[in-house]
Order: sequence, then C-alpha cells, then structure tokens
Amino acid sequence: GDSVTQMEGPVTLSEEACLTINCTYTATGYPSLFWYVQYPGEGLQLLLKATKADDKGSNKGFEATYRKETTSFHLEKGSVQVSDSAVYFCALSWRSGNTGKLIFGQGTTLQVKP
Amino acid sequence: SAVISQKPSRDICQRGTSLTIQCQVDSQVTMMFWYRQQPGQSLTLIATANQGSEATYESGFVIDKFPISRPNLTFSTLTVSNMSPEDSSIYLCSARTASYNEQFFGPGTRLTVL
Repeated sequence: GDSVTQMEGPVTLSEEACLTINCTYTATGYPSLFWYVQYPGEGLQLLLKATKADDKGSNKGFEATYRKETTSFHLEKGSVQVSDSAVYFCALSWRSGNTGKLIFGQGTTLQVKP
Repeated sequence: SAVISQKPSRDICQRGTSLTIQCQVDSQVTMMFWYRQQPGQSLTLIATANQGSEATYESGFVIDKFPISRPNLTFSTLTVSNMSPEDSSIYLCSARTASYNEQFFGPGTRLTVL
C-alpha cells in the first residue's frame, strides 16, 4: 500500500544552518505531496504542497520539489531560525478517487539552537 | 481555507468512561476526518466522517470504540468509549474543501486516561 518514509530525528542544528529533511514515498501513480509542521503544543499546519511532478512548493523560506524519478519530496531551508523548532511531517494524498485521506510519515523533530 | 475548532482542548478522564470531542468548521467542507496521534508518534487516520451516514473506519478501529457522527457539513463528533490508558493521545479533526487540494487541521484534543 501507499506509504511515506522520513529521515529519523531528532535533527539538531545551529541557527542559520542549512536544513534538509528527507522524505520518500511509495504509491501507485502520482499523488499530491505535502509538508505539515507541528509547533510545540499546537495542531498541524500546512507548510507547503506540490500536486504534480517537478512542482516546487515553498513557504516561509522552506522549499520542496516533487521528484517522481526518485519518488522524493525533501524539505529544505537555507538558514534555519530558533522559531523553526518543531515536528515536520511529510504526507501524501490523492486528488480524486480514494477517500482523500492523508498518509503521514513518522515525523522528524527539528531543534534549532541559538 | 477553513478554520477548525475542537472542544475540549484537553481532558483527563477515568478508565472506563467515555468522552465526546466536538469539531466545528467555519465553512462547508466535503470531507471530515478524525486522526489519532499517540505520544511521540505520527498521525493515524481513525475514520472518515460521512455526512448523514455511518463513518468509514480504518483497519484497527471500530465503531463501538470510536462512534462518530456528522449531522451536517460543518460539524462532527468523535466519542472515545470505555477508555483505557492506551487511549491517551491527541485526537485531531481535519477537513478538506472542494476547492482546495489540502486538508486543514483543528488544534487537537489532548486526552489523558488515568
């Protein structure tokens, strides 16, 4: 069945360091891909998305490119801030058919130190 | 976008009791979902709440344990029945609109069962 695999955390970085969180997926066809962020004590917020191959989603300095050849959607940021400390979830969904449900990766905790 | 509220935000309950969680969306949505996030874990879909009919449950979740209602397009409830400490989790409501290929999440209900 469909699945999402993320790199294990926690990831600890110093402020202004570069970030990459790896995400790969297994699915039949071409799903939509998402990154969600969960700040401490809060619910999930959509960070960015991509709906087809080679699309690049971006928001708040974060970027991720939908790579169908490698079935990947890695999250990147050139310079992290302390306020980026959170748990990041990669997920996939289908635009039509199916039930519209999201399938999540296991989450990666990011801690940014001053 | 859609703004989702949940009540209660948190609760501490005794073993063997039941708790009903409410989810309200500020606009009409096509699909509503209930997820569970166990401590330190990713999100797992419990069920899709169908308007005017029985919910569609994922493998491992049953109606007797997690009865769900969705009387209209903007409101749903999840009941956690006959609770045990293993039910201690964050329960999140989410909704998907017809015009957006994304899901919005409520802030979650943090449940602790003693």
